[in-house]
Amino acid sequence: NAGVTQTPKFRILKIGQSMTLQCAQDMNHNYMYWYRQDPGMGLKLIYYSVGAGITDKGEVPNGYNVSRSTTEDFPLRLELAAPSQTSVYFCASSYGGTGIDELFFGEGSRLTVL
Amino acid sequence: QKEVEQDPGPLSVPEGAIVSLNCTYSNSAFQYFMWYRQYSRKGPELLMYTYSSGNKEDGRFTAQVDKSSKYISLFIRDSQPSDSATYLCAMRAGGTSYGKLTFGQGTILTVHP
Repeated sequence: NAGVTQTPKFRILKIGQSMTLQCAQDMNHNYMYWYRQDPGMGLKLIYYSVGAGITDKGEVPNGYNVSRSTTEDFPLRLELAAPSQTSVYFCASSYGGTGIDELFFGEGSRLTVL
Repeated sequence: QKEVEQDPGPLSVPEGAIVSLNCTYSNSAFQYFMWYRQYSRKGPELLMYTYSSGNKEDGRFTAQVDKSSKYISLFIRDSQPSDSATYLCAMRAGGTSYGKLTFGQGTILTVHP
């Protein structure tokens, strides 16, 4: 099992450009998430999905969009990139049951907006 | 006031030392408490978890939760250079908030030989 796979690992964007961060999981998890991690700020939830066709906003959704057409894939779309979106983006998945519901993270996508 | 506060460090200790990592929180609804470990250039991995108040031990690691004080801790005994990483506390409320975690800022730990 590959777990959670994110692409690309690194990307530099110019202000105003758009791009999509790809995320795929092979654990048949119902729940998927996008977090961003800024230095000294911990991880902040951007969007999450509880299943194919169902998405909802997290704490910091502005400037992003998501879709979930399959159980495996959960791409994150950045529209009109801004310097404030320079960050490390982590995709995660979980089974979604009761209890702790461990999150499994990808290795991250490092985005710089210049 | 942030919902979860964690001293970012950095924390540097010699091999074999006892390490104490701490977080405070303000949301009384939090019921599940976790510690994630993140190695450099990697995603976080779940290290320890507890439900409600109390202690939990796993090898060299002990997690403590004091809900009355809104305070959680992670202790690492006989620390090793391989423990060098960023440690993130995370917590969530009960009910259907699966995976919607609130993270602390993370503490950078270096254990030197």
